Amino acid sequence: GAGVSQSPSNKVTEKGKDVELRCDPISGHTALYWYRQRLGQGLEFLIYFQGNSAPDKSGLPSDRFSAERTGESVSTLTIQRTQQEDSAVYLCASSLAPGGYEQYFGPGTRLTVT
Amino acid sequence: GNSVTQMEGPVTLSEEAFLTINCTYTATGYPSLFWYVQYPGEGLQLLLKATKADDKGSNKGFEATYRKETTSFHLEKGSVQVSDSAVYFCALYYGNNRLAFGKGNQVVVIP
Repeated sequence: GAGVSQSPSNKVTEKGKDVELRCDPISGHTALYWYRQRLGQGLEFLIYFQGNSAPDKSGLPSDRFSAERTGESVSTLTIQRTQQEDSAVYLCASSLAPGGYEQYFGPGTRLTVT
Repeated sequence: GNSVTQMEGPVTLSEEAFLTINCTYTATGYPSLFWYVQYPGEGLQLLLKATKADDKGSNKGFEATYRKETTSFHLEKGSVQVSDSAVYFCALYYGNNRLAFGKGNQVVVIP
C-alpha cells in the first residue's frame, strides 16, 4: 500500500516568508509525528497528533511554528516568518497506534531559507 | 532526559568487512530501542528493534542486543555489501509520544 507522502519535496523560500508543508499519513494510522533534521544532526521531535486528542506541541521551537491535522488524515506544518536557522529536512511519520509501534517515515521536505 | 549517543564520524569500510556502529543511551527504566536506516534518496525505515533487556533484534544480516548493564545497543553486521551504504540512526522510545534519535552514522562500503 501507499506509504507516508510529503509535499513539496523541496522548498526554497526567502527569509521572512511563510511556508506550509504537507504530510499524508498511511491510511488507518492514528498517530502522526513531525520531526526536523538539521544538517549533521539527529532528528528533533516537533509535534505529535493522536486521533482527536490535543496534540503534543512540546517540541515546537518557537511560536512561529504551528501544525494542524484534520481527524486522522492530512497534516500541515506551517512556519511563519522563516529564518535561516529553519533550513532543514522536515520529516513526517505515522504509526498504527501511539506507543512503541513502528513509525513509518515519509521522504521529507527539504526547506532552504535564503 | 532520554537521549541517544552514536559514535562520531562516518564509517568507511571494504565489502565483506565486519561493521560495528556504537550506540549508548540515557534513560530511566526500560525504553524500547531501535535502529533506523536511510538509504540514499529514501526515507527512514526501521531496520530492527528490541523492547526489553537482553533482547536481540535482527534483520537483513544486522543484529543489535539490548544491554541494560552497559546501556548500549550496538549495531553489527558480519559481512557488509555495497548496498548497505546508508545512514544509520539509533533511537529510543520511552512512552512520551516520540522517538529520541542519535545523530546518525554515514556508512560507506567500498567494493
